[in-house]
Amino acid sequence: AQSVTQLGSHVSVSEGALVLLRCNYSSSVPPYLFWYVQYPNQGLQLLLKYTSAATLVKGINGFEAEFKKSETSFHLTKPSAHMSDAAEYFCAVSGPRLTGGGNKLTFGTGTQLKVEL
Amino acid sequence: NAGVTQTPKFQVLKTGQSMTLQCAQDMNHNSMYWYRQDPGMGLRLIYYSASEGTTDKGEVPNGYNVSRLNKREFSLRLESAAPSQTSVYFCASNVGTGGTDTQYFGPGTRLTVL
Repeated sequence: AQSVTQLGSHVSVSEGALVLLRCNYSSSVPPYLFWYVQYPNQGLQLLLKYTSAATLVKGINGFEAEFKKSETSFHLTKPSAHMSDAAEYFCAVSGPRLTGGGNKLTFGTGTQLKVEL
Repeated sequence: NAGVTQTPKFQVLKTGQSMTLQCAQDMNHNSMYWYRQDPGMGLRLIYYSASEGTTDKGEVPNGYNVSRLNKREFSLRLESAAPSQTSVYFCASNVGTGGTDTQYFGPGTRLTVL
């Protein structure tokens, strides 16, 4: 079975500081990995995804993530935090393919990012 | 292009009452999904519909039923609500052709069962 683990349910950074949100995965097959962001009282929005085309993936709002097979990790980073980055972030792994089509996403438990002045 | 829409946004039920959560997408997607989100647990798949006319159970289907009304609409029904079903419910959709497909989420329905 596939799973993801997000270390740190709450992360606090200063505005302008590096953001690092950790995600480790477990998968018996090459994984497809996603990072989603959820702003308060909203749905989830895709930040970026790894589809095996490139190990360094760039997403929206200046975020990027690097797939490291040897470490089974897909950590999310942003060089300089902004107040507007305060939100909850979810890592997810795709698979297995569902009966009839579609794909099952298994989500981590989320990391709440707080950005302080 | 509204994406994925959900109604209602908020609902309060008493134990034993029934209700239907509505979801619609205008992206011509084949696959649709219902998740529930609980604090500290991420999102868990309740039911999904790989294509029009098909539905299947996810990891937490007990107490729920679904209907794929047509390609656009996928509803979730609680026949006899229980306090354990207090949660935020999200509908999602995607093209449904493979593991790299992005799922697009609606804004959610916040349900409280007293």
